[in-house]
Amino acid sequence: DTGVSQDPRHKITKRGQNVTFRCDPISEHNRLYWYRQTLGQGPEFLTYFQNEAQLEKSRLLSDRFSAERPKGSFSTLEIQRTEQGDSAMYLCASSFWTGENTEAFFGQGTRLTVV
Amino acid sequence: QKEVEQNSGPLSVPEGAIASLNCTYSDRVSQSFFWYRQYSGKSPELIMSIYSNGDKEDGRFTAQLNKASQYVSLLIRDSQPSDSATYLCAVNRYTGTASKLTFGTGTRLQVTL
Repeated sequence: DTGVSQDPRHKITKRGQNVTFRCDPISEHNRLYWYRQTLGQGPEFLTYFQNEAQLEKSRLLSDRFSAERPKGSFSTLEIQRTEQGDSAMYLCASSFWTGENTEAFFGQGTRLTVV
Repeated sequence: QKEVEQNSGPLSVPEGAIASLNCTYSDRVSQSFFWYRQYSGKSPELIMSIYSNGDKEDGRFTAQLNKASQYVSLLIRDSQPSDSATYLCAVNRYTGTASKLTFGTGTRLQVTL
């Protein structure tokens, strides 16, 4: 499977615990995006990377959230001290950026439930 | 004003009919436009992209873009029950190296037998 891969697919955690999600983009893609989606809403931008550089982070993103892409390949998204409001689908997407129009492809998502 | 607006629906069309989905955006500098299909509980799947004014056809799908009116639409011809899903409109704007997709809330389409 050469698409975007996310792990785990589902995560249930207790409030206050830390969680980490992984995303493996399409191999030749240099851009990687994280989005969050709640029921009835469109995906909400969290952050994105070009290669290993984090180029933008949403101003709405709490400092409990951190993302890395250490070698410009896979990325991790960590949420510290989870809250019930963090329950959502966390989506990763990747694209091949050439400076012009580009298409982004999503992984299957990680569904987080905070109890 | 939301950056990307869509009617949440549901939009109900009979099998075989044309479904018309609409989207407006607020940022005039937006440069590329996408339609994603999302089945319940699944992730968004890219079905169309459009970058210049006019129509772009791909199979049963036609995307239409009017930058002057800040309007983009998706037509689905010969609608099938398998087209029943939420359709997300996404808009991209480039500023230097910065680029991100901004999504609408989606329109739920129901194709009835």
